[in-house]
Amino acid sequence: EAQVTQNPRYLITVTGKKLTVTCSQNMNHEYMSWYRQDPGLGLRQIYYSMNVEVTDKGDVPEGYKVSRKEKRNFPLILESPSPNQTSLYFCASKFNRNNQPQHFGDGTRLSIL
Amino acid sequence: SQQGEEDPQALSIQEGENATMNCSYKTSINNLQWYRQNSGRGLVHLILIRSNEREKHSGRLRVTLDTSKKSSSLLITASRAADTASYFCATEETGANNLFFGTGTRLTVIP
Repeated sequence: EAQVTQNPRYLITVTGKKLTVTCSQNMNHEYMSWYRQDPGLGLRQIYYSMNVEVTDKGDVPEGYKVSRKEKRNFPLILESPSPNQTSLYFCASKFNRNNQPQHFGDGTRLSIL
Repeated sequence: SQQGEEDPQALSIQEGENATMNCSYKTSINNLQWYRQNSGRGLVHLILIRSNEREKHSGRLRVTLDTSKKSSSLLITASRAADTASYFCATEETGANNLFFGTGTRLTVIP
C-alpha cells in the first residue's frame, strides 16, 4: 500500500531533550516536506527536500533540522525542543513535477513541557 | 509565503444539502488543490485544478477556479454525515514546488 509513515504518532517530552520524528515513504517520491499545524494558523511548511541531499527552509524552520540521506526517509530533528514547538506535525511527499498532489502521513502530535 | 484564505471558517448543514466553500489567494499559481482532514488525522488530497482550467468534477465534488479574481470554490453536493471534516485549499505558486495552505473550513453535516 502506498503510504507515508511517521513515527512516533504521539510524544510528550521535556524542554531541551533532543528528539527525532521519522518519516518514510514507499512511493519513490523525490519531494518530501514537513509541516506543522497549529490552531488558527493552518499548515506551515518547516523544511522541504527536492531530492536526496537537497534540503531547503520553508516558512518556519527555526529550531528544526532535517536530513535526506536516502530517497525514502526524511527525518525531522528537534535538537533542543521548546514549548513553542508543541504542535501537530505532518510529513508529505510527491513526485518532483508540477501539478502533483502531496501525500500526507497521519501526523505526529508533539507536546514539549 | 502567501497563504490562501477559506471562507467560511465554519459551516453547518443538514445531510443532503450542498456545501460550498471558497478560497482566495494572492499570487500567480500553477494549480490549486483541495484537501480534506478528519479530526487530528492526515490530509487527504481531493482534487487538483490547474491554472488553465476553470472547472473540474470528481464524484460529488465540483471545483471552480477564477484566476482573474484569484479565487476558487469547492462544492460538495448531496452531503453526507461522513463528509464532516476540515477542508483546506492549497496553492502551488508559479515557479515553485511548494504548497501554501489556507486555514481551512470546518464542515459539519448533521444527520
